[in-house]
Amino acid sequence: EVQLVESGGGLVKPGGSLRLSCAASGFSFSNAWMAWVRQVPGKGLEWVGRIKSNPAGGTTAYAAPVKDRFTISRDDSKNTLSLQMKSLKTEDTAVYYCTTVGSWYQLRGLNYYYYYYMDVWGKGTTVTVSS
Amino acid sequence: DIQMTQSPSSLSASVGDRVTITCRASQDISTFLNWYQQKPGKVPRLLIYAASNLQSGVPSTFTGSGSGTDFTLTISSLQPEDFATYYCQQSYTTFSFGQGTRLEIK
Repeated sequence: EVQLVESGGGLVKPGGSLRLSCAASGFSFSNAWMAWVRQVPGKGLEWVGRIKSNPAGGTTAYAAPVKDRFTISRDDSKNTLSLQMKSLKTEDTAVYYCTTVGSWYQLRGLNYYYYYYMDVWGKGTTVTVSS
Repeated sequence: DIQMTQSPSSLSASVGDRVTITCRASQDISTFLNWYQQKPGKVPRLLIYAASNLQSGVPSTFTGSGSGTDFTLTISSLQPEDFATYYCQQSYTTFSFGQGTRLEIK
């Protein structure tokens, strides 16, 4: 069974740091692209960032509100995804979900087009930034 | 950044109704559009990817269509379990979500 289990959430003061982890099982983690999505309780979903698999380059991308403050990393030997958060703000308070990034491709003419989506979600871990 | 705007923000409907939710992108995103369903207290669930492809296990009462900047999610006959919040998401450049459409029982 494909499973993602987040941990590391908690209460932190503004300006502080926190590291979230996501333990993956039931699939080939080393070949998976992964992402973090957050949700303020009662509000909508917000994409935080993603990391490609190492065979695909292992590069990261971030949403503007967290760029330069958050860092996504992966340890394929431990099947673990991490989100290092620093300079936390009250507006970072949310439930943080770890997700797999699935893909599908379509051949149109001579070109392949790759479509990405979030297909497996963890149950989330809550981060509260408050003094 | 690509902005995604859903309409309506909330919608009341009855079991058996046909419902359409609209999502508009701030620029042309071809068919790089996904739809998710989230029930209260639950994690989001992928319904449709690449604008019109039904994810495995999703009932055929759900249909996605559109390309460019305008997309729709249609539920052909509402079932009690369909009352939830629906989100569109673009994957043309990284990702971004719409603000959500809350579908409530009339």
